[in-house]
Amino acid sequence: DSGVTQTPKHLITATGQRVTLRCSPRSGDLSVYWYQQSLDQGLQFLIQYYNGEERAKGNILERFSAQQFPDLHSELNLSSLELGDSALYFCASSAQGQGNTGELFFGEGSRLTVL
Amino acid sequence: AQSVAQPEDQVNVAEGNPLTVKCTYSVSGNPYLFWYVQYPNRGLQFLLKYITGDNLVKGSYGFEAEFNKSQTSFHLKKPSALVSDSALYFCAVRDMDNNNDMRFGAGTRLTVKP
Repeated sequence: DSGVTQTPKHLITATGQRVTLRCSPRSGDLSVYWYQQSLDQGLQFLIQYYNGEERAKGNILERFSAQQFPDLHSELNLSSLELGDSALYFCASSAQGQGNTGELFFGEGSRLTVL
Repeated sequence: AQSVAQPEDQVNVAEGNPLTVKCTYSVSGNPYLFWYVQYPNRGLQFLLKYITGDNLVKGSYGFEAEFNKSQTSFHLKKPSALVSDSALYFCAVRDMDNNNDMRFGAGTRLTVKP
């Protein structure tokens, strides 16, 4: 158990809809990262937050947005969903400062299916 | 930005034989290098990392990796493969001098046959 919690584990929705994925990082971790893994694809970095502020942005579509709340949990919002958005969405967290050992700790992912 | 290449989509080895999964990286600052493993329908599990020091790093489940700065490589190795090692393996890099996000290779599917 990595200590990173993601909900929901599975989500099925229709094209054009909007969904929210939630992530609770490991206790004490200030950084949260979101990744997308499409079928038979590698992990695409979407966005990183640190202590509530956006730190880095990757290949995130304009239809997608994220935020990190004061309690450090994060949400990834996906809107106007398309078939191609079907994927596994992973959240990861890491420590900062002296506690930063470099690796990210991953949740089990949220599998989104768009029909 | 940093990047990682895993030149092999698939690696097949027989049980008991040594295995190597290749990785090369590109980064402007000092690299932190990682290997992760993913089993079906699971999240990524950390295997090992290189930050500094000895170029040969040892990790979980008998895996090790060798950092080669001149070749910008970080190949994953195991002396004797097990069927249970069959999984998807990802190499990753963080540029700790310039930003903190981690970039992953496309992954290599390792199949170990009995």
